[in-house]
Amino acid sequence: GAVVSQHPSWVICKSGTSVKIECRSLDFQATTMFWYRQFPKQSLMLMATSNEGSKATYEQGVEKDKFLINHASLTLSTLTVTSAHPEDSSFYICSADPGRVGNQPQHFGDGTRLSIL
Amino acid sequence: DAKTTQPTSMDCAEGRAANLPCNHSTISGNEYVYWYRQIHSQGPQYIIHGLKNNETNEMASLIITEDRKSSTLILPHATLRDTAVYYCIVRVAPSNTGKLIFGQGTTLQVKP
Repeated sequence: GAVVSQHPSWVICKSGTSVKIECRSLDFQATTMFWYRQFPKQSLMLMATSNEGSKATYEQGVEKDKFLINHASLTLSTLTVTSAHPEDSSFYICSADPGRVGNQPQHFGDGTRLSIL
Repeated sequence: DAKTTQPTSMDCAEGRAANLPCNHSTISGNEYVYWYRQIHSQGPQYIIHGLKNNETNEMASLIITEDRKSSTLILPHATLRDTAVYYCIVRVAPSNTGKLIFGQGTTLQVKP
């Protein structure tokens, strides 16, 4: 089945550091990828839609200068949390959409747990 | 995309069928019903989706009512590993711009 790889799976860093998270679709091309954030005991919250070759679309209330998204190829999107602070600590999850080909559903990565000290 | 309503939690005995309901009374004609589940500390896992016909795969069955206002996900023989949060989501598909908006889902606890 379709596989989405997310890296790293866990990161701990000091306040003020910028952290980059990668999301790769391993066996299909994805013109669109999505980034979610999940706090403990809560549901997934969509942060932004990542479009290959164009600017990301951010959901209301998500700071685009804080969460930089780059979708440079059909198999890779990156999320950079700039100048991270403890309140940015969360579980970040990406998904990739195969689009119209074969009526395939979106598939998710296994998430990145970010802890800011 | 239409909103969905699910019970907050359910219990099921191991080996028995787990039937998870979902209401989507405002669903549009071109919207599909998707089911995902999330096991603790992992990303959501796709289970099944359908438009109006009942669907079955190796994981589960999806029963959609004739008026499409509700559906039921059936795990035929639940195991302890099926303990997870199950999300019912409605969206237009296939589409490469269709966002998946997650509600609170149903926490299914499979008990020995």
